[in-house]
Amino acid sequence: DAGVIQSPRHEVTEMGQEVTLRCKPISGHNSLFWYRQTMMRGLELLIYFNNNVPIDDSGMPEDRFSAKMPNASFSTLKIQPSEPRDSAVYFCASSRTSGGETQYFGPGTRLLVL
Amino acid sequence: AQSVTQLDSQVPVFEEAPVELRCNYSSSVSVYLFWYVQYPNQGLQLLLKYLSGSTLVKGINGFEAEFNKSQTSFHLRKPSVHISDTAEYFCAVYTGGGNKLTFGTGTQLKVEL
Repeated sequence: DAGVIQSPRHEVTEMGQEVTLRCKPISGHNSLFWYRQTMMRGLELLIYFNNNVPIDDSGMPEDRFSAKMPNASFSTLKIQPSEPRDSAVYFCASSRTSGGETQYFGPGTRLLVL
Repeated sequence: AQSVTQLDSQVPVFEEAPVELRCNYSSSVSVYLFWYVQYPNQGLQLLLKYLSGSTLVKGINGFEAEFNKSQTSFHLRKPSVHISDTAEYFCAVYTGGGNKLTFGTGTQLKVEL
């Protein structure tokens, strides 16, 4: 299995631009998680989906962030408009839905907003 | 609500020395506990997990952890570390709602020659 795939791996953009991060979970996994990691705030859960349905988006910072999962093999995290404080590494992870299952992380997208 | 606390933000240790990374949890119900490792510029990967059964859990790369219910702890240990163990280590607890995890703040393990 190819593991969780994220694209792009690096993104540099200017403040005010729209940014779209993409994730392909492991086949057969029906839970998908978006995390953000910064030095200041550590690892934060932004949102997660079960069977393509958003379950908990309480970690989404504000309305500038949105996430979708149109099907079982694809999810996007969008920031519009982007701000310098959004600079971080964004991880996608997937797992089976039952408690205790291992979450498998992608390699992350390193975002820099100038 | 379930949570985990990692008291040590950084742990320096010499190669071939033993190491213990501490994790304490708070939960009012049965817990599932995890240790993940993050190597530089990579995503997190599972080291080991405790779901039930034996309180001593063995993981990859020679790591093990012991679930201690009375002390609400799940400390990670390795008897002899290698330079390649330099990484950040995260303790996590299952928080429900499918497979949601709550992660600790991480412990940076730095192995020196």
